[in-house]
Amino acid sequence: AQSVTQLDSQVPVFEEAPVELRCNYSSSVSVYLFWYVQYPNQGLQLLLKYLSGSTLVESINGFEAEFNKSQTSFHLRKPSVHISDTAEYFCAVRVIKAAGNKLTFGGGTRVLVKP
Amino acid sequence: DAGVIQSPRHEVTEMGQEVTLRCKPISGHDYLFWYRQTMMRGLELLIYFNNNVPIDDSGMPEDRFSAKMPNASFSTLKIQPSEPRDSAVYFCASIRTTSYNEQFFGPGTRLTVL
Repeated sequence: AQSVTQLDSQVPVFEEAPVELRCNYSSSVSVYLFWYVQYPNQGLQLLLKYLSGSTLVESINGFEAEFNKSQTSFHLRKPSVHISDTAEYFCAVRVIKAAGNKLTFGGGTRVLVKP
Repeated sequence: DAGVIQSPRHEVTEMGQEVTLRCKPISGHDYLFWYRQTMMRGLELLIYFNNNVPIDDSGMPEDRFSAKMPNASFSTLKIQPSEPRDSAVYFCASIRTTSYNEQFFGPGTRLTVL
């Protein structure tokens, strides 16, 4: 079975500073990787995903994540955060050849952007 | 498209009462998932359906929980009887198999059992 570990439960950061959210997964087979964002009192929204190809993937609002197969990691970064980036971020994996479209989520990382 | 619709958005009930949560997936989506989110346990998958058929209910905590999907546009999650430890936010999500695995989440139902 696969598992996802998000090493930081909370990350306080000042506005316009960079942020990195760490995600490591364990799986004996190939996986797809995702980052979801949850704004206060809302459901989860897909932020970005890695399916194949370039190991660096980007979102439309300045986030990027890099898939590192040897380290089984998919860390999320943003070079300069805004107040509006305050949210909880979830890393998730899905086994490529498994039926069912099930996602396994990490425990989440709360990002609090301070002015 | 309106997205995944959940009702009610908030539910407060007393221990022992029956609670029914409702979900309308996005039209054309063939998978539907029910999740529970708590501070202590994070996001847990309870059950999921494919073409209205329950595929995996191994995450359902106990027999007090049941879920149905009578048609492609409606699903319910029922708790009977409810207990205070069931207090959580319950999310419904749907996906179309050909959509590169993006699950679309509803806004959630915040359940409080007193």
